[in-house]
Amino acid sequence: AQRVTQPEKLLSVFKGAPVELKCNYSYSGSPELFWYVQYSRQRLQLLLRHISRESIKGFTADLNKGETSFHLKKPFAQEEDSAMYYCALLTGGGNKLTFGTGTQLKVEL
Amino acid sequence: EADIYQTPRYLVIGTGKKITLECSQTMGHDKMYWYQQDPGMELHLIHYSYGVNSTEKGDLSSESTVSRIRTEHFPLTLESARPSHTSQYLCASSDDGDYYNEQFFGPGTRLTVL
Repeated sequence: AQRVTQPEKLLSVFKGAPVELKCNYSYSGSPELFWYVQYSRQRLQLLLRHISRESIKGFTADLNKGETSFHLKKPFAQEEDSAMYYCALLTGGGNKLTFGTGTQLKVEL
Repeated sequence: EADIYQTPRYLVIGTGKKITLECSQTMGHDKMYWYQQDPGMELHLIHYSYGVNSTEKGDLSSESTVSRIRTEHFPLTLESARPSHTSQYLCASSDDGDYYNEQFFGPGTRLTVL
């Protein structure tokens, strides 16, 4: 069965420091992975997806099939990056998202 | 404005009551989803729909039921609420033709069953 693991419930960094939010997955098929973000008092929204290989708000994520990982990275954290981040795996023929438990990122001044 | 609406946003209700959580979208999307999220836990898919008259159960077993009579409307019903149903319920939708499979989420309904 598919599974997404985010080992850190909380990650606290200082402004300007690099950020890495870890995500590992377990899936027998070809993975399609996403990062969703929820800012305070806002809805859950898509941040980025591996298939488009994009950088959004300075964040990037590379799919590593050998390590079954999709870590989210940003070289210099900003205060506005503080939010809850969820890694998600698309399965079921493109119909189901399996989410990790989320990592709360706190950027301190 | 294209959006996803959920009502009510908060609901406190007694055990045994029948409740319906409303979800409507004006995005023009074919696919709709219901997720359940307990505090500090991951979101679990409980129901989804490909379109009108299509409903499927998700990965997490749920005593709730759904219907899809209109494209824009995907209500979730609990016939007899219990304290174990206390959770946050998120509705989402996506475009069947979207190559990137992005899901758009509503604001959620926080349900408390006493």
